[in-house]
Amino acid sequence: GQQLNQSPQSMFIQEGEDVSMNCTSSSIFNTWLWYKQDPGEGPVLLIALYKAGELTSNGRLTAQFGITRKDSFLNISASIPSDVGIYFCASTGTASKLTFGTGTRLQVTL
Amino acid sequence: DTGVSQNPRHKITKRGQNVTFRCDPISEHNRLYWYRQTLGQGPEFLTYFQNEAQLEKSRLLSDRFSAERPKGSFSTLEIQRTEQGDSAMYLCASSHLLTSEQQETQYFGPGTRLLVL
Repeated sequence: GQQLNQSPQSMFIQEGEDVSMNCTSSSIFNTWLWYKQDPGEGPVLLIALYKAGELTSNGRLTAQFGITRKDSFLNISASIPSDVGIYFCASTGTASKLTFGTGTRLQVTL
Repeated sequence: DTGVSQNPRHKITKRGQNVTFRCDPISEHNRLYWYRQTLGQGPEFLTYFQNEAQLEKSRLLSDRFSAERPKGSFSTLEIQRTEQGDSAMYLCASSHLLTSEQQETQYFGPGTRLLVL
């Protein structure tokens, strides 16, 4: 079963607001990845983190790999309507398979 | 290359029938993964290949499920004697990894949505 706790489960925000979501685990992981999934589509990679403490940006997105290797956060600045979707954190440990979080559903109001 | 492709995108079948899905990875990606995603959940790992070798299978993969990657390029996932509980989105991902020290990033296809009536 899944081992990653993702919060919040869902959020409504107004266009232009900043968003923050996080993922925690009781286990140590070697990589943290953040994906976005639109309805009926596969997950699309947003940011990949490979080292503890790493802070990486991709446009309006910023993510960090926690120093304890048990958590990560994703921030979205100045949200826009196309940010709507489900955001998943995912991690790998010693094995290559991804373990996914439960997802954060983001809805943006104008 | 435009990314990972999966066919069909949608499949409706009756309980007890067999179904087969195909995944074409990104060109020259040596690793290929299959995941299953049910409504409201994140994807769950099923199995993966490095080239043509199947290296790991999840306990989720019952003996009714079989996956192949005969030439190390495309892969097929077959479900025999489908059950209503098999209804889900089946996702394929690919990556390129040469050594264990490399950073591996998995890229997903659009998925095949299966509905078993």
